[in-house]
Amino acid sequence: QVQLQESGPGLVKPSETLSLTCTVSGGSISSYYWSWIRQPPGKGLEWIGYTYYSGDANYNPSLESRVTISVDTSKNQFSLRLSSVTAADTAVYYCARRHSYYDSSGYYYGDFDYWGQGTLVTVSS
Amino acid sequence: EIVMTQSPATLSVSPGERATLSCRASQSVSSNLAWYQQKPGQAPRLLIYGASTRATGIPGRFSGSGSGTDFTLTISSLQSEDFAVYYCQQYYIGLYTFGQGTKLEIK
Repeated sequence: QVQLQESGPGLVKPSETLSLTCTVSGGSISSYYWSWIRQPPGKGLEWIGYTYYSGDANYNPSLESRVTISVDTSKNQFSLRLSSVTAADTAVYYCARRHSYYDSSGYYYGDFDYWGQGTLVTVSS
Repeated sequence: EIVMTQSPATLSVSPGERATLSCRASQSVSSNLAWYQQKPGQAPRLLIYGASTRATGIPGRFSGSGSGTDFTLTISSLQSEDFAVYYCQQYYIGLYTFGQGTKLEIK
């Protein structure tokens, strides 16, 4: 059973960089795409971006100028860096595995089948 | 960006009854639509992908339908553990987006 676990500081000061790591256990990080998704308190979900084990990455355009998602295959981990944070970046941050599947029409991907428990990051001085 | 709109925002249903949740996309997403269940303090759980395929371990009382812009999640006979917030998500284009959620509460 694949398990994901987020780790990192729960408090970040405004204008600084938020850094989180997701450790994948029960399976290899290779051959899958891995995402970060966030949820401000009491609000909905926002996809941040994804990375592949090769290092290929894609980001939400609304965050692209501030986001880097990277992977460390030797540790079975991937990481999120979000720079120049403000109070609007306060949220529960989830790591998740992007699901892929075949059906009669072809090959599809983009939903998320395994999630970490989430970690609350508060931006405050 | 494809905007996903869910209705209603809150749905009150009695245990044992049927619940029908709606999700509309601002443009066609074909069948690239997933549904998630989220309980307080927990991560979302994948229920449905491909608009109508149940994820592993999801009970048969959950069903999804629709394609293009209009989708429905139906829970045929509500159990106590089904009261939660439900989100739809499109993955038709690389900028994945979620609906704002429907809270399913006990009537």
